[in-house]
Amino acid sequence: DTAVSQTPKYLVTQMGNDKSIKCEQNLGHDTMYWYKQDSKKFLKIMFSYNNKELIINETVPNRFSPKSPDKAHLNLHINSLELGDSAVYFCASSPQTLNTEAFFGQGTRLTVV
Amino acid sequence: AQKITQTQPGMFVQEKEAVTLDCTYDTSDPSYGLFWYKQPSSGEMIFLIYQGSYDQQNATEGRYSLNFQKARKSANLVISASQLGDSAMYFCAMRGMNTGNQFYFGTGTSLTVIP
Repeated sequence: DTAVSQTPKYLVTQMGNDKSIKCEQNLGHDTMYWYKQDSKKFLKIMFSYNNKELIINETVPNRFSPKSPDKAHLNLHINSLELGDSAVYFCASSPQTLNTEAFFGQGTRLTVV
Repeated sequence: AQKITQTQPGMFVQEKEAVTLDCTYDTSDPSYGLFWYKQPSSGEMIFLIYQGSYDQQNATEGRYSLNFQKARKSANLVISASQLGDSAMYFCAMRGMNTGNQFYFGTGTSLTVIP
């Protein structure tokens, strides 16, 4: 059983389109995250979602919006895609305790053409 | 705010030798956790080791150990007896009690193990 699963693994789309990436975790964790990894491999936190509390990184454009239908899912919607949105997007989850690592999905490679 | 610094963009090590990957951090949180992850070329994020800010002993997990120096705010990863499969990106990360459960990552170090 995959602990944190993301779909799709690859996504190629044209500029201006709207797309979604789905994420599901079966670990019973309270907190879920979205990270963006750019071409230089830098991992940047975009959002965290914990018990209906959303924490948004202030540098994230409002074209990006997380949607959580329930505790096990945190989907990422992106409107009006731009070339600079091309990156690998990782979903992750963790319990709230400080001494527990984040569990990552396999990543979604988004390419905007 | 949390800040994680990894000053070595790339490192080389001979197979079977030990290597130290540097990580320094800055935080005002009184309690925090430090983590190391490995990202091979296949792209997945693999958790390696954890160190708590109040832990008295340095963490160890098999060939991985964490050299934690709290006063210097450093949490270096030591890999002993390097193997070819250790070639990957390595990320240091921190999680603090006052920062919304978020994990903050350093810029990573690319490790290449030479046969």
